[in-house]
Amino acid sequence: AQSVTQLDSQVPVFEEAPVELRCNYSSSVSVYLFWYVQYPNQGLQLLLKYLSGSTLVKGINGFEAEFNKSQTSFHLRKPSVHISDTAEYFCAVSRMDSSYKLIFGSGTRLLVRP
Amino acid sequence: DVKVTQSSRYLVKRTGEKVFLECVQDMDHENMFWYRQDPGLGLRLIYFSYDVKMKEKGDIPEGYSVSREKKERFSLILESASTNQTSMYLCASVSAGLGYNEQFFGPGTRLTVL
Repeated sequence: AQSVTQLDSQVPVFEEAPVELRCNYSSSVSVYLFWYVQYPNQGLQLLLKYLSGSTLVKGINGFEAEFNKSQTSFHLRKPSVHISDTAEYFCAVSRMDSSYKLIFGSGTRLLVRP
Repeated sequence: DVKVTQSSRYLVKRTGEKVFLECVQDMDHENMFWYRQDPGLGLRLIYFSYDVKMKEKGDIPEGYSVSREKKERFSLILESASTNQTSMYLCASVSAGLGYNEQFFGPGTRLTVL
């Protein structure tokens, strides 16, 4: 079985500061990895994904994430955040042989302050 | 653009009522999902459907049933609503094509059971 851990339930940060949201996963088989973002009162939107190849993946809105197989991590980073980045961020995994079944972490609320 | 729509954004029901949550997608996707989102728990899969009239239980199916009579529509049914079913409900759909396919989410229905 797969599982996803997001240790930080909330991350407060000042505008224009860098941010890292942490995600660790557990799986006995190869997986795809995802970050989704949920803005207030909206559904989930795919931010970025790792399927294969380069371990550094770039997504929308200036976010990037690095897949680290040895540490089973997929941390999300942004060098300079904006107020508009305030949202909830979910890390998710899926097995490669059943990619439609997503397993989500508990979410991290990013709160960007002026 | 892929569109997944949900019949209501906000719903207030009384304990014991029968509740229907409707989801419609316009991209001819084979797979459709119902998730429940609660603070600190992330998204948990209630049911999914891989074809018309086909369904499979997710991680938390107790107290829920589903119906898929047409490919584009997937309904979640609470036979007798209870206060512990107060939550945000998200619908999603994805193509069953080979390899990875992006899962698309609706805006969510926030259900309050009094």
